[in-house]
Amino acid sequence: SQTIHQWPATLVQPVGSPLSLECTVEGTSNPNLYWYRQAAGRGLQLLFYSVGIGQISSEVPQNLSASRPQDRQFILSSKKLLLSDSGFYLCAWSVGISSGNTIYFGEGSWLTVV
Amino acid sequence: AQSVTQPDIHITVSEGASLELRCNYSYGATPYLFWYVQSPGQGLQLLLKYFSGDTLVQGIKGFEAEFKRSQSSFNLRKPSVHWSDAAEYFCAVAYKAAGNKLTFGGGTRVLVKP
Repeated sequence: SQTIHQWPATLVQPVGSPLSLECTVEGTSNPNLYWYRQAAGRGLQLLFYSVGIGQISSEVPQNLSASRPQDRQFILSSKKLLLSDSGFYLCAWSVGISSGNTIYFGEGSWLTVV
Repeated sequence: AQSVTQPDIHITVSEGASLELRCNYSYGATPYLFWYVQSPGQGLQLLLKYFSGDTLVQGIKGFEAEFKRSQSSFNLRKPSVHWSDAAEYFCAVAYKAAGNKLTFGGGTRVLVKP
């Protein structure tokens, strides 16, 4: 069966410091990968998605970037964090674009920028 | 652009009572529809999904949802709520023409009274 791992689970970082959140998927190949952010009291916002190695699409302009160095690895990064980057970050995966595309989520990473 | 509306931000229900969460979507094409549940501090778990066929969909944990094209709705229901159903619920929609990317509603937080 497929599993998704995301780490670290919680992170407290000072403003201006770098960020790296990692996500890996097991049990499937060539998944679509996603990073979502859930700010306090708000819904989920799609930040990035990737349909293959090195292929990253950004949904909103922001202080973050994403990379996919391997088929099942997706990394969310920032060179200098802002206070507004605080939130709950969720990695997700799916297979299949041509038909129904069910997305499955990791357990999330809490980021607090202080 | 596709959008999803969950009109109720909070719902309080007594244990054993029935629950209905509303979801409306916009856009002209036939959507793929999903309901996810999120317990505090955790990732999202898929409850059920509608791609095609029977408009009444059964999901996990005793939930069901009905797709009504004429009303652009996909309301989630449960006949008898348990205390463990207290969580936040998200409706989401995707369209094949839009690359099957999920758009989420703002969520409905369900509180269960003993």
